[in-house]
Amino acid sequence: QKEVEQDPGPLSVPEGAIVSLNCTYSNSAFQYFMWYRQYSRKGPELLMYTYSSGNKEDGRFTAQVDKSSKYISLFIRDSQPSDSATYLCAPRAGGSYIPTFGRGTSLIVHP
Amino acid sequence: DADVTQTPRNRITKTGKRIMLECSQTKGHDRMYWYRQDPGLGLRLIYYSFDVKDINKGEISDGYSVSRQAQAKFSLSLESAIPNQTALYFCATAPRSLSSNEQFFGPGTRLTVL
Repeated sequence: QKEVEQDPGPLSVPEGAIVSLNCTYSNSAFQYFMWYRQYSRKGPELLMYTYSSGNKEDGRFTAQVDKSSKYISLFIRDSQPSDSATYLCAPRAGGSYIPTFGRGTSLIVHP
Repeated sequence: DADVTQTPRNRITKTGKRIMLECSQTKGHDRMYWYRQDPGLGLRLIYYSFDVKDINKGEISDGYSVSRQAQAKFSLSLESAIPNQTALYFCATAPRSLSSNEQFFGPGTRLTVL
């Protein structure tokens, strides 16, 4: 079993929908939880990150971590076609420089 | 100009050939990484370096070697390429500080080994 599990999708939704992207993990040492967005034929770019449990909001995006269940979520409100990309979760332990990437979930938002 | 550049962007080679992928950065970052990305497998770490004299193996280093020629340059070599090394390769950089959570990725090199 991989340390970080993420459903590869694709997840197809209509424009304006609320999107929920999720990861589960097994390493209790993970303290920082990053979400990267990768457009086709591009390198990943950091979207946002959270520290420990709780929520963090940035515009239409909300990252949520539940350490008790080892569950990571990214919510996208009012999804747009420009949100179509692959989303990778990438947690890391506090003392490590190395994040562990999930496989990524492909999201398609159709007009 | 891009902060993290990779050359070549695309490469087709034959089994058994030696090939080098190069990464340069103008961000002044100490940490540099090489990843490969395969469909369904996500990003996997090949090697990483925290400064010119520091080289570390990642999850899947077999069949690969690296060279950190300078703070700004980190090269990945395939000594004898094989078809299952066909993948998308990314270089990434990050600041030295452990409090930094962002890695900055290059545009990728698409490698095909026939």
